[in-house]
Amino acid sequence: GAGVSQTPSNKVTEKGKYVELRCDPISGHTALYWYRQSLGQGPEFLIYFQGTGAADDSGLPNDRFFAVRPEGSVSTLKIQRTERGDSAVYLCASSLLEFGKLFFGSGTQLSVL
Amino acid sequence: KQEVTQIPAALSVPEGENLVLNCSFTDSAIYNLQWFRQDPGKGLTSLLLIQSSQREQTSGRLNASLDKSSGRSTLYIAASQPGDSATYLCAVSGETSGSRLTFGEGTQLTVNP
Repeated sequence: GAGVSQTPSNKVTEKGKYVELRCDPISGHTALYWYRQSLGQGPEFLIYFQGTGAADDSGLPNDRFFAVRPEGSVSTLKIQRTERGDSAVYLCASSLLEFGKLFFGSGTQLSVL
Repeated sequence: KQEVTQIPAALSVPEGENLVLNCSFTDSAIYNLQWFRQDPGKGLTSLLLIQSSQREQTSGRLNASLDKSSGRSTLYIAASQPGDSATYLCAVSGETSGSRLTFGEGTQLTVNP
């Protein structure tokens, strides 16, 4: 595709539910990143994939958060037992090379009621 | 732990003014520094990427400088236009932290016609 695509754009869920957020990177980009942005803050790193493997998952806040990228393209961020504090915009980015220029999607606004 | 600070938090200027946005970081062992633009409800757009060995980068009316040893970067915008209104974010990647970026909280710029 022309850019990084994230779906859904908005997700409203209830506390305790499970959610999946999808990211479709730019074709051919091997590096994929997930960030989380709270209102008025800069994005915070969650996880980085190089190909199919998670090269750095040190930003995941706890074991309720998990991400996969099984074929080295599309990635899914999974959040179990959602809490109100998980409410934020979840941003995905991709780059052609490690340390290269990042291209961001428009994000998924997650609201946990 | 790397910390990135951006000053000012908000800035309002009349159209046509030249302006400077500031970014400082606590750990000078960086791999590169990027400046991003974020429009409301949108993802981030990369404006300029400066490698740690470089002093500045230019793109059109934008010029970013980097003083790695003092932990500072500036983004200079010449002849500002209303379309430049957005939040500008600075982010650094560390020599030991790989591709993860640490972001500042951003400067919200308003250019008044």
